[in-house]
Amino acid sequence: AQKVTQAQTEISVVEKEDVTLDCVYETRDTTYYLFWYKQPPSGELVFLIRRNSFDEQNEISGRYSWNFQKSTSSFNFTITASQVVDSAVYFCALSEARYGGATNKLIFGTGTLLAVQP
Amino acid sequence: DAGVIQSPRHEVTEMGQEVTLRCKPISGHDYLFWYRQTMMRGLELLIYFNNNVPIDDSGMPEDRFSAKMPNASFSTLKIQPSEPRDSAVYFCASSTPGTGIYGNTEAFFGQGTRLTVV
Repeated sequence: AQKVTQAQTEISVVEKEDVTLDCVYETRDTTYYLFWYKQPPSGELVFLIRRNSFDEQNEISGRYSWNFQKSTSSFNFTITASQVVDSAVYFCALSEARYGGATNKLIFGTGTLLAVQP
Repeated sequence: DAGVIQSPRHEVTEMGQEVTLRCKPISGHDYLFWYRQTMMRGLELLIYFNNNVPIDDSGMPEDRFSAKMPNASFSTLKIQPSEPRDSAVYFCASSTPGTGIYGNTEAFFGQGTRLTVV
């Protein structure tokens, strides 16, 4: 069975601190996709990144970076120099892939609430 | 691009009433998903369509729930009769099929419909 675990329920940091959000996944598939979504207080879900299981390269986008390690089944998300606008719930998600086509359906973790204090 | 459009944004109804949630996916997206978000269960997939055809409805909680996609630009999720435990935020999302044999792409979410059944 596929599963995504975000053990950190809530994290509180002071502005400009670095923070890492953990994500551990379980799947029997050899091909799969991992995602991070942000849900700000306004409620919408905003796509941040997609990574496939063949690509273990870390990615950096501005203050955001992602560390994908298949050996530990983890896909962690780091925000450098956090800002108040980063305050949100962050979801990690897993999507299965099947030969001949993708399903695109997402299995979400329970989310981590990040509060960045000024 | 207007993004995924959901209506209404908020719905308050009495137990036993029929509720219809509406979704317009992003033009050109072949996949459409309905997710439900609650405090107890987090984000869970209810049903998804590919090219207007329901592919997996295993997440639909019971017969009171039904979803349709009469054309590529419109989908509905209906609850009849509604119950207080149906209170949740319902998200619609859409995505493209991706490329390659294992192609998978990110889903773009609407703003959600906050349903309250009293």
